[in-house]
Amino acid sequence: QQQVKQSPQSLIVQKGGISIINCAYENTAFDYFPWYQQFPGKGPALLIAIRPDVSEKKEGRFTISFNKSAKQFSLHIMDSQPGDSATYFCAARDNNDMRFGAGTRLTVKP
Amino acid sequence: EAGVVQSPRYKIIEKKQPVAFWCNPISGHNTLYWYRQNLGQGPELLIRYENEEAVDDSQLPKDRFSAERLKGVDSTLKIQPAELGDSAVYLCASSLVEDTQYFGPGTRLTVL
Repeated sequence: QQQVKQSPQSLIVQKGGISIINCAYENTAFDYFPWYQQFPGKGPALLIAIRPDVSEKKEGRFTISFNKSAKQFSLHIMDSQPGDSATYFCAARDNNDMRFGAGTRLTVKP
Repeated sequence: EAGVVQSPRYKIIEKKQPVAFWCNPISGHNTLYWYRQNLGQGPELLIRYENEEAVDDSQLPKDRFSAERLKGVDSTLKIQPAELGDSAVYLCASSLVEDTQYFGPGTRLTVL
């Protein structure tokens, strides 16, 4: 069922470094691309989202880069902090049908 | 504003037993979703409601799973009988039409 491919599966970054997570999709009908953050024992929470008419969106330390022609998008976390350690999911929506990637477990070492 | 409420948070049952999960969405959200999240995976949609109508249940294993959303507010997801492979976290989410999905904390089901 997963139509969104996410990589890497896990990522270890030093505090202050840049975390980069990538996603790729095939369905050109997707019109909304959110990223969710999930802490253990919690449900996913929306972090940042982008629509395909924009190539980049920045909110604080979090940036989405979107490449429509390549059908790829990525999440960049600048100045990564230990509190950012969580699992991140990219997703893509087609007509209210949200498809999630498999997730990336991020560990930020102090 | 209260978030999506789910209960129970944890449930352990033996295979072939029935189980039910309850979800109360954010007030005013007319769209409600049930997802299953297997360990190490992203959520996968089971069923989506627009008000009280199930508009997408194509991924719901209808031989053993059922859901209802009476009065278009809270919802119940049932499994009967449960199988070992049903062990997962069951997430409920709600949204205004074509808006952000807000997830509850989920129910972790263990089938022994």
